[in-house]
Amino acid sequence: KAGVTQTPRYLIKTRGQQVTLSCSPISGHRSVSWYQQTPGQGLQFLFEYFSETQRNKGNFPGRFSGRQFSNSRSEMNVSTLELGDSALYLCASSYDRDNQPQHFGDGTRLSIL
Amino acid sequence: QKEVEQNSGPLSVPEGAIASLNCTYSDRGSQSFFWYRQYSGKSPELIMFIYSNGDKEDGRFTAQLNKASQYVSLLIRDSQPSDSATYLCAVGGAQKLVFGQGTRLTINP
Repeated sequence: KAGVTQTPRYLIKTRGQQVTLSCSPISGHRSVSWYQQTPGQGLQFLFEYFSETQRNKGNFPGRFSGRQFSNSRSEMNVSTLELGDSALYLCASSYDRDNQPQHFGDGTRLSIL
Repeated sequence: QKEVEQNSGPLSVPEGAIASLNCTYSDRGSQSFFWYRQYSGKSPELIMFIYSNGDKEDGRFTAQLNKASQYVSLLIRDSQPSDSATYLCAVGGAQKLVFGQGTRLTINP
């Protein structure tokens, strides 16, 4: 069974640009969550999608947005990039929303110059 | 008070000894508890999960849950240098999963 696939693995952008990251969950998983991980802040929850609906959102500005498609694939978008957005962005999928283990992809490492 | 708290470490344990990692949580309604291992530069990998009070064993790993004390722990027996990593505790409830900051574990040969 294929794992969670995130693309691209690495990205370099400049301030002010926007970026779109992609996540394909494990087959059959309908919940997709996104996290930002930085050395100082640890793993921070961005948002969670289930059946194309955003069910939960973390404490991030509106520049961070996402969506989920009917095949459960998800994208997240960050507009007007700032230096502080440099981080590892992780996607995790699970079979259902509540109380099921989440399985992580390898992440997208985003660097802002 | 943080929702999920872990000692950041580093925790240093000699090879072959038992490593004990601890986690406390604040939400009494929490229903699911997970341990992830994260190697430097890699993504978190699920190693254990537990839903009921008591112990759950899987190979060298044992997860322990005490809901009355709001405490979950992970024991690693016969620690190996390959166990050196950051261990993340995650606590789940209604529509959310909250991660601790992680404990960095170093196994010394």
